[in-house]
Amino acid sequence: EPEVTQTPSHQVTQMGQEVILRCVPISNHLYFYWYRQILGQKVEFLVSFYNNEISEKSEIFDDQFSVERPDGSNFTLKIRSTKLEDSAMYFCASSDHRGGYTFGSGTRLTVV
Amino acid sequence: DQQVKQNSPSLSVQEGRISILNCDYTNSMFDYFLWYKKYPAEGPTFLISISSIKDKNEDGRFTVFLNKSAKHLSLHIVPSQPGDSAVYFCAAGDTGANSKLTFGKGITLSVRP
Repeated sequence: EPEVTQTPSHQVTQMGQEVILRCVPISNHLYFYWYRQILGQKVEFLVSFYNNEISEKSEIFDDQFSVERPDGSNFTLKIRSTKLEDSAMYFCASSDHRGGYTFGSGTRLTVV
Repeated sequence: DQQVKQNSPSLSVQEGRISILNCDYTNSMFDYFLWYKKYPAEGPTFLISISSIKDKNEDGRFTVFLNKSAKHLSLHIVPSQPGDSAVYFCAAGDTGANSKLTFGKGITLSVRP
């Protein structure tokens, strides 16, 4: 069964550093998303991406964040100047034109 | 602004009995609802969905009921099995492609052998 792959599974970074979280969506999906879940809280939408541009973003997704699809297979989330409160599980997802979502297993980001 | 609410943080049921997980929403624009199951250290796994034109959708042991007038949906699992123990998230969106999902806080289901 096709799956969304995320790397790394766990990333530890120092406050103020930049991190890049990587995702390989399902190959025939056209829509890509990032969500995050802070420990003990709900899964929150960050951004959606289609046709090489951001379709929608939440209030959380400020100038500190950026997304990119650098090639035909990868979809990345860059977090600049990380803060302690950026520590969370970050989930990538992709969907087809019918909207069927598939989530990756997540990257646990720990900012120290 | 909790547009999707799962008011009970946890539920414990005996193996073989029915589990009923509830979810309420406030946004009338939502017309597509999904249930996800999540194990620790894994991403949410899709379970079952329902669009607003239906009031029931069934898939094996899982049935989702939608009451649009009450803005309420529920997931029934019968019979419950110990392997069903996980966190269950209700999510809502619209049926357009590229629709973001709004999640509830989740409910932890424990199925006792």
